[in-house]
Amino acid sequence: DIVVTQSPDSLAVSLGERATISCKSSQSVLYSSNNKNYLAWYQQKPGQPPKLLIYWASTRESGVPDRFSGSGSGTDFTLTIGSLQAEDVAVYYCQQYYRTPYTFGQGTKLEIK
Amino acid sequence: QVQLVQSGSELKKPGASVKVSCKASGYTFTNFAINWVRQAPGQGLEWMGVINTNTGRPIYAQGFTGRFVFSLDTSVTTAYLQISDLKTEDTALYYCAKAAPSYNYFDNWGQGTLVTVSS
Repeated sequence: DIVVTQSPDSLAVSLGERATISCKSSQSVLYSSNNKNYLAWYQQKPGQPPKLLIYWASTRESGVPDRFSGSGSGTDFTLTIGSLQAEDVAVYYCQQYYRTPYTFGQGTKLEIK
Repeated sequence: QVQLVQSGSELKKPGASVKVSCKASGYTFTNFAINWVRQAPGQGLEWMGVINTNTGRPIYAQGFTGRFVFSLDTSVTTAYLQISDLKTEDTALYYCAKAAPSYNYFDNWGQGTLVTVSS
C-alpha cells in the first residue's frame, strides 16, 4: 500500500498569513504516461463531509478560492493557503488515487493563532 | 446539481446488521463509481472500497472484506453499504463519495451516516 504522511499534524496561523501543509507519499504517484500526479486535497470543516479542493496535485476544483494552491510532484506535495481567512479553519487531508487502496494522509488541523 | 443523500443515523447492537443507502441525483449514475469512506470518532478518513456503477463490480480495501458488502439499485440510482455481524469498533461515520470522471478522486460526497454499535 502507498502510505501518505502529512505534516504538521496541527498548525496555528494568524489571519491573513500563509499556511503551508506538506504531504509525502511512500511511492511516486506520478504516472509517466500522462505526466499527472494522482494526488488530491480535501477540506473538512467540523460537522461536514470532506470537500474536494485540489486534484492532479495542483488543479483547483471549480468554486475553490484562488488563495488555495497545490504544488509538488512525485512523492512530495504542498497545500498552500495564501492569506488565511476565518472560514479556512478545518482539517485538511491529502489522498493518493494512483493505486488502490486509495489512501489518505492522517489530516492536518488548521486553526487561527 | 450533483447530490448524494445518505440514510439517517443508526443505533445497532453487536451482532446485528445495518444497510446504509446513498441516493444519487443530478448526473448519470452509471457513469461514475461510488466510493465508501469510514471516519471513526475523532479520527481521519479511511477508504473502504469502490463499486463500479456500470458493472456492479466492487473492490474492497483490506480490512473491509467479508462483513462489508457494496451493492447497487440502478433503477433508483442508489448505492448501498451493508455491514453484518456489527462490532463496537464499527461505530463511525460512513460516507459515500462519487468518483470524478475517469479517475478516482472524489468530487462529491454524501452528508455521512453515523452508525453506532452499542449493547
